[in-house]
Amino acid sequence: QKEVEQDPGPLSVPEGAIVSLNCTYSNSAFQYFMWYRQYSRKGPELLMYTYSSGNKEDGRFTAQVDKSSKYISLFIRDSQPSDSATYLCAMTYSGAGSYQLTFGKGTKLSVIP
Amino acid sequence: GAGVSQSPSNKVTEKGKDVELRCDPISGHTALYWYRQSLGQGLEFLIYFQGNSAPDKSGLPSDRFSAERTGGSVSTLTIQRTQQEDSAVYLCASSTQEGDTQYFGPGTRLTVL
Repeated sequence: QKEVEQDPGPLSVPEGAIVSLNCTYSNSAFQYFMWYRQYSRKGPELLMYTYSSGNKEDGRFTAQVDKSSKYISLFIRDSQPSDSATYLCAMTYSGAGSYQLTFGKGTKLSVIP
Repeated sequence: GAGVSQSPSNKVTEKGKDVELRCDPISGHTALYWYRQSLGQGLEFLIYFQGNSAPDKSGLPSDRFSAERTGGSVSTLTIQRTQQEDSAVYLCASSTQEGDTQYFGPGTRLTVL
């Protein structure tokens, strides 16, 4: 079992739809959870960063973490064509001289006008 | 302020040649990371520097890959005797210290013919 599982999609939605992107993980040591957005031929850019279970909202984006189920989600409200990109979840832990940052494989999203 | 920069943005080389990729992290960031993203794959961790030392080299795929960082700033990733399977986008990221959020550069697209 991979440490981080993410459905690669592709996911295609009409403009204005609510998008739900999800990742599951197996390592309960992960402490920090992030979502990155990557446009074609660009490096990933950080969208959301959270470390506790619950919801964190930023504009049209909501990140949700459920540590008991080892499940994280990113919701995009009122999706726009400019949201079309690949979305990567990432999670990390550090301590006692070791460090791990693990990414999901990314979900490719297309928002159709 | 200036973000992470990488050079070159694109590199085409012939199989068997050596290549050197450069990363300039955000000023003041002590941690620096190298990743590789192959077509259809997630972000693969290669190596991590804290200052000038590399506590985690576990991701380097073979002994043809090496990296160094001098002065706690610029890092170079060197691939010797390149192979076609080395073709990928090589991404660099930096953070203020181990465990903090990483900020990515635009990447170097390497094509080995």
